[in-house]
Amino acid sequence: GESVGLHLPTLSVQEGDNSIINCAYSNSASDYFIWYKQESGKGPQFIIDIRSNMDKRQGQRVTVLLNKTVKHLSLQIAATQPGDSAVYFCAEIPFGGNQFYFGTGTSLTVIP
Amino acid sequence: KAGVTQTPRYLIKTRGQQVTLSCSPISGHRSVSWYQQTPGQGLQFLFEYFSETQRNKGNFPGRFSGRQFSNSRSEMNVSTLELGDSALYLCASSSPPGRGLNSYNEQFFGPGTRLTVL
Repeated sequence: GESVGLHLPTLSVQEGDNSIINCAYSNSASDYFIWYKQESGKGPQFIIDIRSNMDKRQGQRVTVLLNKTVKHLSLQIAATQPGDSAVYFCAEIPFGGNQFYFGTGTSLTVIP
Repeated sequence: KAGVTQTPRYLIKTRGQQVTLSCSPISGHRSVSWYQQTPGQGLQFLFEYFSETQRNKGNFPGRFSGRQFSNSRSEMNVSTLELGDSALYLCASSSPPGRGLNSYNEQFFGPGTRLTVL
């Protein structure tokens, strides 16, 4: 089956610093990737996505990097704020697939 | 536009009982997916319904079942509850394909139903 995992289940950063959350995937046929943010008591919320034909995509304060050679995905959050404290998941779907596979999540804590 | 709603938000049951959870998708969304979320396993896909038909199914025992109604609202049922069924059950509805970056359906999650089995 699919395997999507995250390095470092917990991450603490100082407010204002940049955060990097990593994710490894096992399926070389993975075509589309999403990062989700889940705050306490809420469902996951879409942050940013990237397709396999891209290496980098930027949003507001967030950047996703995709390294297909080593099957690694990262989420960079610039100038981390207390409101960024949450669990972050990566998810992937293989080419032509219709089911997303999620990682177990990384808990980000921002220290004021 | 109202988001995905799930009821109830919290539920406590005992082993052997059965439970039904409800999900109302975003208006206009016809696909509803269900996930089980536990601290150790993360989000595990249960099943997906589209136009009242189960379109995709994850690797869960037959005690887990679901259905979708003509208005796209969906229910999932778990029979003969076990302690290990304690989890957050998330429902996600999907927008029509072809939007955004790709042709995959973007999923919008509800807040979940927290099920505790005693």
